[in-house]
Amino acid sequence: AQSVTQPDIHITVSEGASLELRCNYSYGATPYLFWYVQSPGQGLQLLLKYFSGDTLVQGIKGFEAEFKRSQSSFNLRKPSVHWSDAAEYFCAVALNYGGSQGNLIFGKGTKLSVKP
Amino acid sequence: EPEVTQTPSHQVTQMGQEVILRCVPISNHLYFYWYRQILGQKVEFLVSFYNNEISEKSEIFDDQFSVERPDGSNFTLKIRSTKLEDSAMYFCASGRVEDEQYFGPGTRLTVT
Repeated sequence: AQSVTQPDIHITVSEGASLELRCNYSYGATPYLFWYVQSPGQGLQLLLKYFSGDTLVQGIKGFEAEFKRSQSSFNLRKPSVHWSDAAEYFCAVALNYGGSQGNLIFGKGTKLSVKP
Repeated sequence: EPEVTQTPSHQVTQMGQEVILRCVPISNHLYFYWYRQILGQKVEFLVSFYNNEISEKSEIFDDQFSVERPDGSNFTLKIRSTKLEDSAMYFCASGRVEDEQYFGPGTRLTVT
């Protein structure tokens, strides 16, 4: 069955340090890949997405993610974390794009804490 | 900036009661979705809705669930007879095209 794994439940980084959040997927073909962020009391905000083409994608708030087919991974990175980045981050895949479908399969999320 | 809104933010209901969760999608969006997240678990897809009909639903979305777009602006999720295991955060999402889903802040449903 298709699945998304985020191995890290909780990560703490210092402000200004670099960040990498891991995401692995299990699927026979190349899925459509997404990263969402959720701040407390807020909805899920789309950070970036990958459908095809350049495997390094840029998103909002200075985030980027790299698709590595050989590792079935789509890790999220940011070179310098800000205190406002503290939130929960969700990796997701969509398997049925085309027509009117587009249901997302989410990972369990990684909670990011930022130390001053 | 337009956003998806959901009401109420928290709903408490007794087992067996009907609940309706309301969502106002972004106005020019055509694709609508419901997801849920049971505490401590993953966000799970429930149903997608396009062109006034369900386009896809998960196995979670059984006969107890229904969706409606009653007036062209609201998008509702109805649970006919709630069970304890329906307690979760329910997220509505909408998109102008298929490849972007804008999520609302969620409704926390507690079934007692």
